Amino acid sequence: GAVVSQHPSRVICKSGTSVKIECRSLDFQATTMFWYRQFPKQSLMLMATSNEGSKATYEQGVEKDKFLINHASLTLSTLTVTSAHPEDSSFYICSAREGILYGYTFGSGTRLTVV
Amino acid sequence: QKEVEQNSGPLSVPEGAIASLNCTYSDRGSQSFFWYRQYSGKSPELIMSIYSNGDKEDGRFTAQLNKASQYVSLLIRDSQPSDSATYLCAVNKGSARQLTFGSGTQLTVLP
Repeated sequence: GAVVSQHPSRVICKSGTSVKIECRSLDFQATTMFWYRQFPKQSLMLMATSNEGSKATYEQGVEKDKFLINHASLTLSTLTVTSAHPEDSSFYICSAREGILYGYTFGSGTRLTVV
Repeated sequence: QKEVEQNSGPLSVPEGAIASLNCTYSDRGSQSFFWYRQYSGKSPELIMSIYSNGDKEDGRFTAQLNKASQYVSLLIRDSQPSDSATYLCAVNKGSARQLTFGSGTQLTVLP
């Protein structure tokens, strides 16, 4: 089945620094990838849709200048949390779909802690 | 009204029983429906996908879809303690590429 690899799995950073999270589709090409955020005991909230070769589409309320998304190839999308603050601490998960007949596969997630 | 609604639970069933998880959605244009299982601290993993009315069975899992009632359910037969997790219902609306998730139902299977 489709595999989506996400790194790092866990990161602790200081307030004000930036953190980059990578999401790779290992055995298929993904023109579209999705970035979610999940706070404790809450469901997944879509942050943005990452489109290969074009700008990401952000959900309402998500700051595009703070959460920079780059989808430079058909197998890699990156999310950079800029000037991170403690309230950005969360579980970030990426997702991609091999095709319309397949379900959406999730990466293993990145636990971000900003101190 | 939320786009995708689930009973938040928690739902507890004894080992070996049938666990029944329910989900309703608001957009009649929804076309694809998914059930994901999420263990604490982990990312969701796909259990079932269903696209047409009726039942779809995969091992101990059965997904049921009723588009007229805008209702999708998941039955887990012979529940095991390892099935204890949060179950997320997700819907793909028409031409939209992204999924919309329910809030999840926490299931506990008691040994």
